Amino acid sequence: NAGVMQNPRHLVRRRGQEARLRCSPMKGHSHVYWYRQLPEEGLKFMVYLQKENIIDESGMPKERFSAEFPKEGPSILRIQQVVRGDSAAYFCASSPTPDTSGNTIYFGEGSWLTVV
Amino acid sequence: GESVGLHLPTLSVQEGDNSIINCAYSNSASDYFIWYKQESGKGPQFIIDIRSNMDKRQGQRVTVLLNKTVKHLSLQIAATQPGDSAVYFCAENMGSGGYNKLIFGAGTRLAVHP
Repeated sequence: NAGVMQNPRHLVRRRGQEARLRCSPMKGHSHVYWYRQLPEEGLKFMVYLQKENIIDESGMPKERFSAEFPKEGPSILRIQQVVRGDSAAYFCASSPTPDTSGNTIYFGEGSWLTVV
Repeated sequence: GESVGLHLPTLSVQEGDNSIINCAYSNSASDYFIWYKQESGKGPQFIIDIRSNMDKRQGQRVTVLLNKTVKHLSLQIAATQPGDSAVYFCAENMGSGGYNKLIFGAGTRLAVHP
């Protein structure tokens, strides 16, 4: 998972505040994925993005959550009006342009969000 | 719905022994599977993958076996070391249109004792 950079690593927010998580994919990768992991659980798919496009957001909550991957700069996962249930580890992953399903996805070290 | 699950939530082994971690999947159309290792406070680390047209693949000290008949996946770690202690996840690719959409199992915690 070297190369996928996430920040901040740890973030504490009060209920009602906004959380912004950033992800820079590995060099040469133009595909970004966001996953959420609750304590003692597996990772859950949230969203898949290419540059300037959201391809699959089927795992994103309908409200308060949004993601973007602009032409320049990192991908951003934004959570508005956070609630305690948003407390989790959020992982970003990237892959090169997939010619066929099966290109390895590499994960970052995660951003741990705690809502108090 | 489709899901990926694990048989054993915790596995304790002696250093030097071989470890086997099992995983069941439910989507017979899945064509790509990955095993990840996750240490506390870190992101998932790729271990090994296998496509559905194979039934076995070997890496360094690790082997993945795929049994499509019973939809079962296993990870074998030879000569387990203390550094292998972690949570191991199998993941099933549910993506279409040329991208990976991984569905993860709940994980198995591997504890290696000296």
